[in-house]
Amino acid sequence: GAGVSQTPSNKVTEKGKYVELRCDPISGHTALYWYRQSLGQGPEFLIYFQGTGAADDSGLPNDRFFAVRPEGSVSTLKIQRTERGDSAVYLCASSHRDSPYEQYFGPGTRLTVT
Amino acid sequence: GENVEQHPSTLSVQEGDSAVIKCTYSDSASNYFPWYKQELGKRPQLIIDIRSNVGEKKDQRIAVTLNKTAKHFSLHITETQPEDSAVYFCAATRESNQFYFGTGTSLTVIP
Repeated sequence: GAGVSQTPSNKVTEKGKYVELRCDPISGHTALYWYRQSLGQGPEFLIYFQGTGAADDSGLPNDRFFAVRPEGSVSTLKIQRTERGDSAVYLCASSHRDSPYEQYFGPGTRLTVT
Repeated sequence: GENVEQHPSTLSVQEGDSAVIKCTYSDSASNYFPWYKQELGKRPQLIIDIRSNVGEKKDQRIAVTLNKTAKHFSLHITETQPEDSAVYFCAATRESNQFYFGTGTSLTVIP
């Protein structure tokens, strides 16, 4: 079946602008995760959804970052007043309730803030 | 929180040789340890995992070992092939939602 998809694949924006990154999880996966991966580093946890609610948002770096999942499927990561330090690959992952530990990743969105 | 360290950061082996990547973790309550392979520009892909109630797990040429007492786990790849070349990440978690990743090992298999 289809895997996790993310759009756009690349996003270039100017410092101070607002961006939205979208994630489509695997159909039937109730859990959804956002990670940020900087160059040469492992993915860093941002936020986790179980259904529509954010069960754990402790990884969000500050209040410029926000994520929603209104219908329990697609999720949008929103970044306000972007800064150059936000440049990274933003990865989304999903998992099924029967195998909550097995996270399947999307291809990521490469965000570049100029 | 959990802290995962991974070594080495780069590793080159001759085709057919074995490769070993090691990770240590700090939270003794961590109970699940996956390994991901990430090819350049691609998504991380789960290749093998181990739970804390098991000491070793093997899947064809790949194996993972876990030492809970020492809080370290290792990935072993035997009979390496050029297509094994990628960046490998270990991770640890005690809850399914928050994975803590290592900094990655760039493996190059020389034909």
